[in-house]
Amino acid sequence: KAGVTQTPRYLIKTRGQQVTLSCSPISGHRSVSWYQQTPGQGLQFLFEYFSETQRNKGNFPGRFSGRQFSNSRSEMNVSTLELGDSALYLCASSWTSRGTGELFFGEGSRLTVL
Amino acid sequence: GESVGLHLPTLSVQEGDNSIINCAYSNSASDYFIWYKQESGKGPQFIIDIRSNMDKRQGQRVTVLLNKTVKHLSLQIAATQPGDSAVYFCAEITREAAGNKLTFGGGTRVLVKP
Repeated sequence: KAGVTQTPRYLIKTRGQQVTLSCSPISGHRSVSWYQQTPGQGLQFLFEYFSETQRNKGNFPGRFSGRQFSNSRSEMNVSTLELGDSALYLCASSWTSRGTGELFFGEGSRLTVL
Repeated sequence: GESVGLHLPTLSVQEGDNSIINCAYSNSASDYFIWYKQESGKGPQFIIDIRSNMDKRQGQRVTVLLNKTVKHLSLQIAATQPGDSAVYFCAEITREAAGNKLTFGGGTRVLVKP
């Protein structure tokens, strides 16, 4: 079956713009979580959605937001982009939100902010 | 491929030798641990997990050891192969009131020499 699909794979934005990233989980998975990966900070948890509800949130400013649709697809949005937002944004899906199930990651969306 | 981390500790291993990757975790309340493998240009991939009530778990060519006394986790790869070249992350799961929190370690790059 199809894996986790993230779009777009690569994008370039300028400071002050906003960006929306999309994630389609594996069919049947109801949990979608988002991570930011940078060389300096590694993999950092952004938020998790389960059945359209945000279940947990990491330590990121309010410029980072997300949502989940009834078909479990998720989007994350970053407003007022800063240079430091340049990163690989990874989405992961799983069957449950209990955090003990295997996470399946997409290949990420590489965001470059100029 | 794109670099996951420019300043990761690196383990160079001769093909056929065993690899040991170490990880120190931070939260004594964490009760579930996972090892992930990330190849260049891809998202992390689940390797093996272990619960805090265990100190050892074996998979195919991999063994995870957990020492809760010193909050240390290790991943042993037997007969390392070129396809094992990747960045390896440990992750700990802590149950919080707001939900389960997944925290990744900084990662170790494994380079397999032919």
